[in-house]
Formats: sequence, C-alpha cells, structure tokens
Amino acid sequence: GESVGLHLPTLSVQEGDNSIINCAYSNSASDYFIWYKQESGKGPQFIIDIRSNMDKRQGQRVTVLLNKTVKHLSLQIAATQPGDSAVYFCPFSGGYNKLIFGAGTRLAVHP
Amino acid sequence: KAGVTQTPRYLIKTRGQQVTLSCSPISGHRSVSWYQQTPGQGLQFLFEYFSETQRNKGNFPGRFSGRQFSNSRSEMNVSTLELGDSALYLCASTPRAGDYEQYFGPGTRLTVT
Repeated sequence: GESVGLHLPTLSVQEGDNSIINCAYSNSASDYFIWYKQESGKGPQFIIDIRSNMDKRQGQRVTVLLNKTVKHLSLQIAATQPGDSAVYFCPFSGGYNKLIFGAGTRLAVHP
Repeated sequence: KAGVTQTPRYLIKTRGQQVTLSCSPISGHRSVSWYQQTPGQGLQFLFEYFSETQRNKGNFPGRFSGRQFSNSRSEMNVSTLELGDSALYLCASTPRAGDYEQYFGPGTRLTVT
C-alpha cells in the first residue's frame, strides 16, 4: 500500500531574505536547546546551541532566540542562501548523547 | 580531521537475512550513537555506546544490536531483516559524554527486498 510520510512544514523564502524557523518544545528541564540542519543526501549537522539561561545567541548568519515563558525556540538565518536549503531540526536530549528529533521544518530557498 | 565514516554506503538485502553496518568515529571521539531515518518515522535513536558500554537504547526490537570496540569503532547488526527495516542508518560521534554537538556520518542506505 501507499506509505505515508511525516508531514514536514515547509518554509519557502527568496534568496537574500531572512528566514525564521520556529520550534515549540515541551521539556522545560533542558539545559541546552539545539538546532541541526540536514541537507539532502547528508547526515544532520549541528548548527548552534543556546543555554537555558540565555535569551539570544548569535552565530555566523544565524541567531537563536529562546522564549522560556511560552516554550518557544526560533532560528533566524540572515541573507538566506541556496546552500541553506535543508531540513531544520530542534532535537532535545534524552540523556547519554541521545537526541530526540521531531519531524523538522523544510527550508526551500528560491533564486 | 577526517569525519565520521560509515560502510557500506549502500546495501541491498533480502527479508530474513542479517546485516552488519560499520561506523568509524572521528579520531579521539569516544561516544558513538546510531539512528534510523525513514520517511514515515523520521530520525529515531537506536543506541549509544561510550567506551565500549551501551549507555542508552531506543525503542527498537531485540533484532537491532550493536557494539563498540576499544578503538571506538562501532558496528550495528540487524538480524532477520524485515521490509520495514529499509532506512538510512546514521551514526554520530562525540568526544565526550553528554555532548549535544554530534558529528554525523553520511549514513548507510539499507534496502530490504
């Protein structure tokens, strides 16, 4: 029969625009919140993390915002490039290097 | 430094057979985790090894097993293959326990016919 895949929300942006990918979390006890990306045909790649006692952290072209009040995490990508096209995940830790991934968000960058 | 390497990259097996996948972590990394990725279930944690000890295991049947050698290289084995075991199997390594920054290999694409 036909297989049903996970529903991946998709964010479509124009090259050069800023992208915002959102993630809602439930585990308030996490010490860190993390973002990974997975490009087509590759394994996931760590992007950035943020400690639970921080609200904002900036990396190279990326900014992660943490709102603990509403349990919301977001990843902002400045001047989005075609190479940013990927599925983005905000996994949480299940202990002992175990990462629990959700479905992710697909970012599609159009020229 | 060389990245995480996985062999073989592609594999086709028949139902009922068994398969062994290999993962070589980044030099100096002592923790190796394994994940299964399918279109239907996404990325799911299989197990994690640190210094040859399995410290964590996901919700998979006993047909899935693994081990880690003294040089930190790891293997996972799936016995009595089922069609549903067709997936991309990914391994990831980290230098220490409790690391969130895991370095993933390219994966082994297993197809069960």
